[in-house]
Amino acid sequence: AQSVTQLGSHVSVSEGALVLLRCNYSSSVPPYLFWYVQYPNQGLQLLLKYTTGATLVKGINGFEAEFKKSETSFHLTKPSAHMSDAAEYFCAVSDVLRSGGSNDKLAFGKGTLLTVN
Amino acid sequence: NAGVTQTPKFRILKIGQSMTLQCTQDMNHNYMYWYRQDPGMGLKLIYYSVGAGITDKGEVPNGYNVSRSTTEDFPLRLELAAPSQTSVYFCASNLLSGRHRGGYGYTFGSGTRLTVV
Repeated sequence: AQSVTQLGSHVSVSEGALVLLRCNYSSSVPPYLFWYVQYPNQGLQLLLKYTTGATLVKGINGFEAEFKKSETSFHLTKPSAHMSDAAEYFCAVSDVLRSGGSNDKLAFGKGTLLTVN
Repeated sequence: NAGVTQTPKFRILKIGQSMTLQCTQDMNHNYMYWYRQDPGMGLKLIYYSVGAGITDKGEVPNGYNVSRSTTEDFPLRLELAAPSQTSVYFCASNLLSGRHRGGYGYTFGSGTRLTVV
């Protein structure tokens, strides 16, 4: 079964600094990968996703992530942090079925809380 | 288009009481899910449904029941509430079909914060 490890439960950066949130996955095949953001007292919102094609994917709010198969990683980055980026971020993985498309469940990491000073 | 709507937003239950968490989506998504979120633990899948009349257990189903009589609704039932069920519950939906299998990511509701005392 697929799983996700997010390195660092809490990351703190200064406004204007680079944001790097780490995600490594475990899957028997190249999976579908997602990053979600959760603002306080809200549900999860999709930031970006990788399914097929270009390994560098761009999402909302200036975030991007790169799928690296050799490193089984899907790290989330943003060149310059803004105060409004303070939130919890979740990486998620879905196995790709042999017939194409994903299976019917996502596995989530434990989350990384980003604070911006 | 309201997306995924959850009610209530907050609830306090006494040990042994029962309640139903409501979830409705208006996007004609075939898949629906219930997750619970506990601090530092990420999201754990409770139950999911691939279509009306079909449900299946997730990772942590004990103490919960679901039904899916329509495409739109996916209520979660707690019988004999226990303090361990204190959590934030999220409902989500997704569209998986022949042409669009898994590439959209989930749409989440805003959550129900449940406390069992």
